[in-house]
Amino acid sequence: QKEVEQNSGPLSVPEGAIASLNCTYSDRVSQSFFWYRQYSGKSPELIMSIYSNGDKEDGRFTAQLNKASQYVSLLIRDSQPSDSATYLCAVGTSGTYKYIFGTGTRLKVLA
Amino acid sequence: SQTIHQWPATLVQPVGSPLSLECTVEGTSNPNLYWYRQAAGRGLQLLFYSVGIGQISSEVPQNLSASRPQDRQFILSSKKLLLSDSGFYLCAWRGSLLELFGPGTRLTVT
Repeated sequence: QKEVEQNSGPLSVPEGAIASLNCTYSDRVSQSFFWYRQYSGKSPELIMSIYSNGDKEDGRFTAQLNKASQYVSLLIRDSQPSDSATYLCAVGTSGTYKYIFGTGTRLKVLA
Repeated sequence: SQTIHQWPATLVQPVGSPLSLECTVEGTSNPNLYWYRQAAGRGLQLLFYSVGIGQISSEVPQNLSASRPQDRQFILSSKKLLLSDSGFYLCAWRGSLLELFGPGTRLTVT
């Protein structure tokens, strides 16, 4: 059974701090990795994708991938109260249309 | 730009009643379309995906079915709802570089 694990949280950080969200996956042949943000009662929104080992930066967001250790993380710099949401990690395998989603980590940024 | 419409937005149905949820996509052709369900406190569960008209792959062998009668239309159905069918139903489109979820349908089975 392919799995994607996330700490459910909530992860509370003060405004302006760095929020660090982690995700581990079980399928070693996974090729694509995604982070989604989901506000309460709303649909998920794709915020980052990463395919190669290392860091990928987009504005205040940095995704980090370590395939050897089978984890992917999301860093949010200068966290804002508007970043308070549930962050979903998803993992895809090359050649399939299917992504496996984690259950999400709830982030609370305290003003 | 691509847009996904879903309706209805909310639905309350009794156990044993039928279900039909509709998803339509604008701004793209021959999209890969997906139905997900998100139960309270759980992750997104893939129910069906479709790569073209009439082509449906099922991930969940339960009382749900899906159809794709037109290129940009994806329908989720059930003949008899169960209590466990309650959840947030999301239609998604996935392109080569982009991905978009619809606004979702919140279904409560009573």
